[in-house]
Amino acid sequence: GQQVMQIPQYQHVQEGEDFTTYCNSSTTLSNIQWYKQRPGGHPVFLIQLVKSGEVKKQKRLTFQFGEAKKNSSLHITATQTTDVGTYFCAEPITSGTYKYIFGTGTRLKVLA
Amino acid sequence: DGGITQSPKYLFRKEGQNVTLSCEQNLNHDAMYWYRQDPGQGLRLIYYSQIVNDFQKGDIAEGYSVSREKKESFPLTVTSAQKNPTAFYLCASTLRQESSYNSPLHFGNGTRLTVT
Repeated sequence: GQQVMQIPQYQHVQEGEDFTTYCNSSTTLSNIQWYKQRPGGHPVFLIQLVKSGEVKKQKRLTFQFGEAKKNSSLHITATQTTDVGTYFCAEPITSGTYKYIFGTGTRLKVLA
Repeated sequence: DGGITQSPKYLFRKEGQNVTLSCEQNLNHDAMYWYRQDPGQGLRLIYYSQIVNDFQKGDIAEGYSVSREKKESFPLTVTSAQKNPTAFYLCASTLRQESSYNSPLHFGNGTRLTVT
């Protein structure tokens, strides 16, 4: 089935280091959403990007949408142990249907 | 408080038995979804429903069935035909919005199904 690829699959960082995950699609995305899933928990919505080249910030998190709307990134500055979890991008598809396709996810571990 | 309730949290079944996972929402959302998550894996779409009495197959519908008789409820049945049913099952819902902005998915806490 349709899938959005994310890299890396796993990332271990020392607390205080930066972290980036990338989301790539072979097709142009109408918009993209990012979710975080804590270990043992459920995904929680973080943000949505709609415009080409859009950049949004939430405290230490910076989200970018590529100029061609085929890729997106999430960057965390100075990671903390509370950042541990899996980060997913998701593409809402609303033409002819109404479903959300999730990326493969990036699992982040932060070492204290 | 509005939200999505999945029950039970943990479920154990013997191989060959059908089992139904409950999902109820009081958010007045139109669309509901079932995803399957295997350890260390992403979310794979099983079934989704945009309105009452209508639903569509996702990427991995084989061995599963659903119903949408009420707006608030979207139960998932894992049948004996599902070859590897042990997994974490997540239900989600959202408003339908026909615009460039799509409302986010709200997830339930999930049900961990173990079949032995």
